Amino acid sequence: GENVEQHPSTLSVQEGDSAVIKCTYSDSASNYFPWYKQELGKRPQLIIDIRSNVGEKKDQRIAVTLNKTAKHFSLHITETQPEDSAVYFCAASSGNNRLAFGKGNQVVVIP
Amino acid sequence: NAGVTQTPKFRILKIGQSMTLQCTQDMNHNYMYWYRQDPGMGLKLIYYSVGAGITDKGEVPNGYNVSRSTTEDFPLRLELAAPSQTSVYFCASSFSSTTEAFFGQGTRLTVV
Repeated sequence: GENVEQHPSTLSVQEGDSAVIKCTYSDSASNYFPWYKQELGKRPQLIIDIRSNVGEKKDQRIAVTLNKTAKHFSLHITETQPEDSAVYFCAASSGNNRLAFGKGNQVVVIP
Repeated sequence: NAGVTQTPKFRILKIGQSMTLQCTQDMNHNYMYWYRQDPGMGLKLIYYSVGAGITDKGEVPNGYNVSRSTTEDFPLRLELAAPSQTSVYFCASSFSSTTEAFFGQGTRLTVV
């Protein structure tokens, strides 16, 4: 089955700087790559997703890039703010009935 | 439109007791999932369902059972609770495996 790995496990950034989280996946048939944000004590919520027919997608301060050849995709957060502090999960699916999540990255934005 | 609703929010069980975590969604989603999240860790898939009457095991199914008699409901049954089942449990639903998954608010379970 699909195996998704995230790096780094913890990322600390100064407020206003950019944060980048990278995920790799194993199944070349995967075609859907969402990112979820989980604030402390809350449920995970989708913040952005990308499909395999697109190389990049942006939504205000967040963007996701996909490299199908290398089988990795990355979340980019620009102009980080304290409210960006959370755990971020990447996931991948090939439509085989299972959405595989990575282990999560703790992002800490230092004021 | 309530989304995904889980009950209870908190529960303390004694070792060996049983309980059912309830999950209901009102979005007419075909896919439903149960995850557990241990402190500081990621989401581990317990069971999932692609439609009424169909269920399948995830990564960590041992000690749990599910059923999917209707599109809306996907209860998770714990038999003979063990301390290793202390965790936060999330139910989620989606239209398909390649569309947004909506999560319930979670159930914090402690087994003592």
